[in-house]
Amino acid sequence: GAGVSQSPRYKVAKRGQDVALRCDPISGHVSLFWYQQALGQGPEFLTYFQNEAQLDKSGLPSDRFFAERPEGSVSTLKIQRTQQEDSAVYLCASSSQGGGPETQYFGPGTRLLVL
Amino acid sequence: AQSVTQLGSHVSVSEGALVLLRCNYSSSVPPYLFWYVQYPNQGLQLLLKYTSAATLVKGINGFEAEFKKSETSFHLTKPSAHMSDAAEYFCAVSEGNTDKLIFGTGTRLQVFP
Repeated sequence: GAGVSQSPRYKVAKRGQDVALRCDPISGHVSLFWYQQALGQGPEFLTYFQNEAQLDKSGLPSDRFFAERPEGSVSTLKIQRTQQEDSAVYLCASSSQGGGPETQYFGPGTRLLVL
Repeated sequence: AQSVTQLGSHVSVSEGALVLLRCNYSSSVPPYLFWYVQYPNQGLQLLLKYTSAATLVKGINGFEAEFKKSETSFHLTKPSAHMSDAAEYFCAVSEGNTDKLIFGTGTRLQVFP
C-alpha cells in the first residue's frame, strides 16, 4: 500500500516568508509525528497528534511553528516568518495507534532552505 | 529524560566484513529501542526494534541487535557487509505516553569493495 507522503519535497523560502508543509500519513493510522532533522544530525521531535488531537507540542522550537490535523488524517506544519535556522529536513511519520512500541513509518521529508 | 548515544559518527568496513554500530541508551524505565536506516534523500526505514520480548532481535537485510541491560547497550551487527548497506544508521528510544522517538546523532556506514 501507499506509504507516508510529504509535499513539497524541496522548498526554498526567503527569510520572513511563511511556509506550509504537508504530510499524508498511511491511511487509517491514528498517530502522526513531526520531526526536524538538521544537517548531520538525528531527527528531533517536534509534535504529536492522535487523530485530530495535538497531544504533545513540546518540541516546537518557537511560537512561529504551528501544526494541525483537523480531520485526523492529513497534517500541515506551518512556519511563520521563517529564519535561517529553520533550514532543515522536516520528517513526518505515522503509526497505527498510540501507546506501545508501534513502528513509525516515515515519509521522505521536506527539505527547507531559508535564504 | 531518555537518551541514546551512538559512538562513532563514521564507520568504514570492507565488503564481506563484520559490521558493528554502537548504541548506548539512558533510561529510567525498561526502554523500547529501535534502529532505523536512512538512504540519501529518503526517509527513515525501520531495521528492527526491541520490545522486551527477546534480547536478541533480528531485523531486515541480515541485521540484528542485542539488548544488554547490564551494559545499557543495543549494538547493531551484521556478519557480512554488502555495498548496499552504505547509509546512515540511527538508534532511537521511545519516550513517554506518546512514544515519540529520541534519536542518536547517527553513524554513517561506508562499505569499500
